[in-house]
Amino acid sequence: SAVISQKPSRDICQRGTSLTIQCQVDSQVTMMFWYRQQPGQSLTLIATANQGSEATYESGFVIDKFPISRPNLTFSTLTVSNMSPEDSSIYLCSTNARGFGEAFFGQGTRLTVV
Amino acid sequence: ELKVEQNPLFLSMQEGKNYTIYCNYSTTSDRLYWYRQDPGKSLESLFVLLSNGAVKQEGRLMASLDTKARLSTLHITAAVHDLSATYFCAVTYGGSQGNLIFGKGTKLSVKP
Repeated sequence: SAVISQKPSRDICQRGTSLTIQCQVDSQVTMMFWYRQQPGQSLTLIATANQGSEATYESGFVIDKFPISRPNLTFSTLTVSNMSPEDSSIYLCSTNARGFGEAFFGQGTRLTVV
Repeated sequence: ELKVEQNPLFLSMQEGKNYTIYCNYSTTSDRLYWYRQDPGKSLESLFVLLSNGAVKQEGRLMASLDTKARLSTLHITAAVHDLSATYFCAVTYGGSQGNLIFGKGTKLSVKP
């Protein structure tokens, strides 16, 4: 299986600020995915990040709010910009490690915006 | 639009009883996943189902897939308290193994 390390594991942030979440995979992967889980809700895909190209955002998510970097095949970042209390969620990164046929998830970042 | 419907959303069981969680999805998908999530934790992969008629079992949990009916089931046998968690099904879309559409989850509580 793929091991995904995500940090920070949690943070409390002031509204109007930005937070960058890092995701590191222990093997090279083509695609990485970022999900949001609002309190008590299911997971929603924010965007897909391929190395060497712009991230592809799902409906309802925009690059200005959630800029994503993918500098190499093992690393990605998601920034939550100009935060408001509505951004309080768990953010998870995921990958479909080649050959395993599964989608693995990092441990998540629990964000609280005050 | 691909939709995934899970039911029930809440399930309170007595230990030792059996029950089934259902997952319906609206359009063809390559694979179906079942995940477990404990409070405040990330997702733990339980099963990946790839083909019609696939059945996988791990301990007290058994998952099956009927692609013609677009239905997967997660059957719990002789429930124990440790199985208390939220269970999600998810299906892939867009030809990618990582683009997942999740059901709303089933919050399972197993009582002594």
